[in-house]
Amino acid sequence: AQSVAQPEDQVKVAEGNPLTVKCTYSVSGNPYLFWYVQYPNRGLQFLLKYITGDNLVKGSYGFEAEFNKSQTSFHLKKPSALVSDSALYFCAVRDSGYGQNFVFGPGTRLSVLP
Amino acid sequence: EAGVAQSPRYKIIEKRQSVAFWCNPISGHATLYWYQQILGQGPKLLIQFQNNGVVDDSQLPKDRFSAERLKGVDSTLKIQPAKLEDSAVYLCASRAIAGSTDTQYFGPGTRLTVL
Repeated sequence: AQSVAQPEDQVKVAEGNPLTVKCTYSVSGNPYLFWYVQYPNRGLQFLLKYITGDNLVKGSYGFEAEFNKSQTSFHLKKPSALVSDSALYFCAVRDSGYGQNFVFGPGTRLSVLP
Repeated sequence: EAGVAQSPRYKIIEKRQSVAFWCNPISGHATLYWYQQILGQGPKLLIQFQNNGVVDDSQLPKDRFSAERLKGVDSTLKIQPAKLEDSAVYLCASRAIAGSTDTQYFGPGTRLTVL
């Protein structure tokens, strides 16, 4: 069965500094990996995905993620954090079974300090 | 393109009462998901529909939860009777084609509080 781990409950960075939100996964086949962001009282918004191809994936709002097959990781990154990036971030892996369902990690709360 | 719509946005009920949530997916999206998101946790899949058929309801507590998507468009999720532990945000999501690499898009959710 697929699973996702986000080892940090919370990440704090200063505005303007680079940020990294970590994600590791476990899948039986090819990994389809996603990052979503959730602002207070809002649904999840899609940021980016890795299906195949380049290991560095670029997404919305200046975010990017690096796929590392040997380390089974898909860390989310941004070169320069903004206060408005403060939110809850979820990594997800898509099930390769018939239903192709998504399994989400527990989430990481990112706080960008002014 | 309009997003996934959900209603109501908030609902407060007492335990043992019943409640229903409604979802209208993005037009043309064949796949619809209902998730339960308990505070501090990631979303957990409850049920997946492909058009009007159920693909996966293995994590749906069927003794109290039910869902339908009769015409393959809108969907309703019902809880009867509700328990305190059902307090959560219920998220609906839709996706264009199951089996493709298309992304799923989420609605704003319904926050349920059971007293």
